Parts: sequence; structure tokens; C-alpha cells
Amino acid sequence: EADIYQTPRYLVIGTGKKITLECSQTMGHDKMYWYQQDPGMELHLIHYSYGVNSTEKGDLSSESTVSRIRTEHFPLTLESARPSHTSQYLCASSGLKIQETQYFGPGTRLLVL
Amino acid sequence: AQSVTQPDIHITVSEGASLELRCNYSYGATPYLFWYVQSPGQGLQLLLKYFSGDTLVQGIKGFEAEFKRSQSSFNLRKPSVHWSDAAEYFCAALMFSGGYNKLIFGAGTRLAVHP
Repeated sequence: EADIYQTPRYLVIGTGKKITLECSQTMGHDKMYWYQQDPGMELHLIHYSYGVNSTEKGDLSSESTVSRIRTEHFPLTLESARPSHTSQYLCASSGLKIQETQYFGPGTRLLVL
Repeated sequence: AQSVTQPDIHITVSEGASLELRCNYSYGATPYLFWYVQSPGQGLQLLLKYFSGDTLVQGIKGFEAEFKRSQSSFNLRKPSVHWSDAAEYFCAALMFSGGYNKLIFGAGTRLAVHP
């Protein structure tokens, strides 16, 4: 079944730790996205990718980095987590055409102590 | 500035009652418009979308939305709400900004349903 997956779903970690949030999709999509969502707030785009070896920063400045080595995989890494990184991170994917719908994963809820 | 506004942060309705969630956008043209629903602890699920043509669009779960160009609005409606509709609803618009097309979200409307 075509879907988009995120792991872990929940993560509690101490300040200074390196973390990687995983996102994989079996939708056959070229474009992938990372959004950050604080409780009760709108989603903000932090990274996106048009395909393999393509990564771009979004609107919201983020200390995270991303990579796109495989079409189906778009991990997000924080080299040194801080309490200000506490948030929900949502991954999405879509086809290349402008009007393509973005499909979202279940999200990773991150708490940095 | 390009933006999507959802004026109602929180709405409570009784089960069986009708529902309308408001959405307005600010953009120099007609954007592609979407409504997503987010249940607690879940990602976003697409309810419906509008690109062009008929201004009344039907979606999943009995939802519909009407695009009104004169009001820059794309309100979501449902004639009879079920308890399972309790969730957060996000309106979004695909707009060209900063050199690329991006999906801009409203702040969301949290729907509570009373039995």
C-alpha cells in the first residue's frame, strides 16, 4: 500500500544529543517536504526536495539539515538538540506538477529536555 | 502579504448540527486551495481541493467547500456533524512566493462535537 512513514513517532531526548528523524514514502513521489508545527499553530515549511541530491530551505529558519540520497527517503537531522527544537515535525510528499496534492506522514513529536 | 486566515480558532457544535468553517486568503491571483483534517497525534489528511471549474467541491467524509472569488474565501461545510469529526481543520493555499510554489497554511480551527 502506498503510504508515507515517519519514525520515531515520539522522541524525548536531552539537550546536546544528535537526532535523526526518518521519513520514507512508497508513493513514488519526487517531491518531499519537512514541516514544523507547534501546538495550536499552522505548519511552517523548513525543508523541501525536488528529487535525489536536491534540498532547499523553506520559509522557517531551522538548525536542522536534510539529505536526499534515495527518492523514497528524506531524513532530517539535528546535530545538537536544544529545548527550542521541541515541536512536531511532519513529513510530506507530492508529485512534481504544481497542482499535485501533498500527502502527510503521521508526524514525529519531539521533546528536548 | 500572502496569507491564509482561519478566523475561528475553536468551534463547538452539537452532533447532527450543520458546520461551516471559514477560510480567507490573500493573494494576487486565485491559488489552488485545500482543506486538511488532523486528528490528535496524527498527520494531515486531505479532505478536498479546488483548482478551477465548479466552485462547489465535494470531498471525503461528507464535506464540501465553496470557493468565492469575490470574497477570497473557501469555506468548508458539512450538513450534519458526527462525533468522529472532532479534530483540527487546516485550510491551505498553494501560492508562488520567494521563487517557488509553496503551501501556506492557516492556523487551524479546532472542532469539538457535543453529543
